[in-house]
Amino acid sequence: KAGVTQTPRYLIKTRGQQVTLSCSPISGHRSVSWYQQTPGQGLQFLFEYFSETQRNKGNFPGRFSGRQFSNSRSEMNVSTLELGDSALYLCASSPGQGSSTDTQYFGPGTRLTVL
Amino acid sequence: AQSVTQPDIHITVSEGASLELRCNYSYGATPYLFWYVQSPGQGLQLLLKYFSGDTLVQGIKGFEAEFKRSQSSFNLRKPSVHWSDAAEYFCAVVDSFSGGYNKLIFGAGTRLAVHP
Repeated sequence: KAGVTQTPRYLIKTRGQQVTLSCSPISGHRSVSWYQQTPGQGLQFLFEYFSETQRNKGNFPGRFSGRQFSNSRSEMNVSTLELGDSALYLCASSPGQGSSTDTQYFGPGTRLTVL
Repeated sequence: AQSVTQPDIHITVSEGASLELRCNYSYGATPYLFWYVQSPGQGLQLLLKYFSGDTLVQGIKGFEAEFKRSQSSFNLRKPSVHWSDAAEYFCAVVDSFSGGYNKLIFGAGTRLAVHP
């Protein structure tokens, strides 16, 4: 099975712009979660989508949003970019059965640099 | 709130030496625990996981971890380290308070360097 894929792998934007990142989960997986990784804050949970619905959300401002399509692919959007949004954005997929044995598998990430 | 602590930010070992990376969690009930590894510029690869049952868990690449409830620990071990094991290692726990199983709380990570 192919793993989790994320596009693009690298992105450079300027302050005030918006950006959209894409994630394709492992075939058959219905849950997609997003994480932000920065040197200062480490790995932080952004949100999770399951069956096109946001099922869980972390403590990030409303500038961070996401959606999931019927084929389970997901996008996240960051509007009005700030310098502090520079980070590695990781997507993870899991079967999403809602059981305690759900395991997340991560993609390679999108490196976003905000200038 | 749940938390995960990895007390060692950096560890350096010689190739062939044994390795133990420490992880402590805070949670009253049985936690769901994971170890992931991240090579530079890459995503996270799952090494192993603990949900219940046998407290000694075997993973990929020769790694194992032991769950000790009395010490709230889930330490990662490898008997003989290879140069290719140099990477950053993350311990994580499911945030059971969030109402779902796909919100992970991560430790700060331990960066492993391997000397030849």
